[in-house]
Amino acid sequence: AIQLTQSPSSLSASVGDRVTITCRASQGIRSAVAWFQQKPGKAPNLLIYDASSLESGVPSRFSGSGSGTDFTLTISSLQPEDFATYYCQQFKSFSTFGGGTKVEI
Amino acid sequence: EVQLVESGGGLVQPGGSLRLSCAASAFTFSSYAMSWVRQAPGKGLEWVSSIAVSGANTYFADSVKGRFTISRDNSKNTLYLQMNSLRAEDTAIYYCAKTRGFGKTFDAFDIWGHGTMVTVSS
Repeated sequence: AIQLTQSPSSLSASVGDRVTITCRASQGIRSAVAWFQQKPGKAPNLLIYDASSLESGVPSRFSGSGSGTDFTLTISSLQPEDFATYYCQQFKSFSTFGGGTKVEI
Repeated sequence: EVQLVESGGGLVQPGGSLRLSCAASAFTFSSYAMSWVRQAPGKGLEWVSSIAVSGANTYFADSVKGRFTISRDNSKNTLYLQMNSLRAEDTAIYYCAKTRGFGKTFDAFDIWGHGTMVTVSS
């Protein structure tokens, strides 16, 4: 099974900061990666699909990059509503999620 | 509004069974693969199972293989998860999720339900 390793597991940041989260796959998965945001008590929300495509309605400060085994989610200027937990997902072979990254103030 | 609504969660004893349902609305249910994803209390997301558009092909995580069955009724726009031989480690919120790509079995999950809680305890 393909494993996804996210880093860091948590980070502290301030409003306006540029934040980068990485996701590494145990084998090549081309661009079959999605990124989600989850707030406490809520279902996950799709941000990025196919590694770098922005889901409709998602603010442009979110961006994704990478292919093969290394992927990145970037928030260009952190906003108060962005404090949440972020997950990557691979769908090249069945589906797997990364362990999550909690973005805290 | 595109919506998924899960039901059927609750408290069950170890070794017991439970059937979850997920009612879909406002999209062509029969054209999209569907999945179940769970989240144990305070933990991350875990893919559980997926079913192709026709229902002919199903897929399971190793942790539930042989105990869980996924099915769908395209005439009722409803997804199901039959859970047997439940264990304490199956305790989680269970979300149903729609696959983004038309006809694709595995893809990003673009629509999620609100989840239903399953607690396995004596």
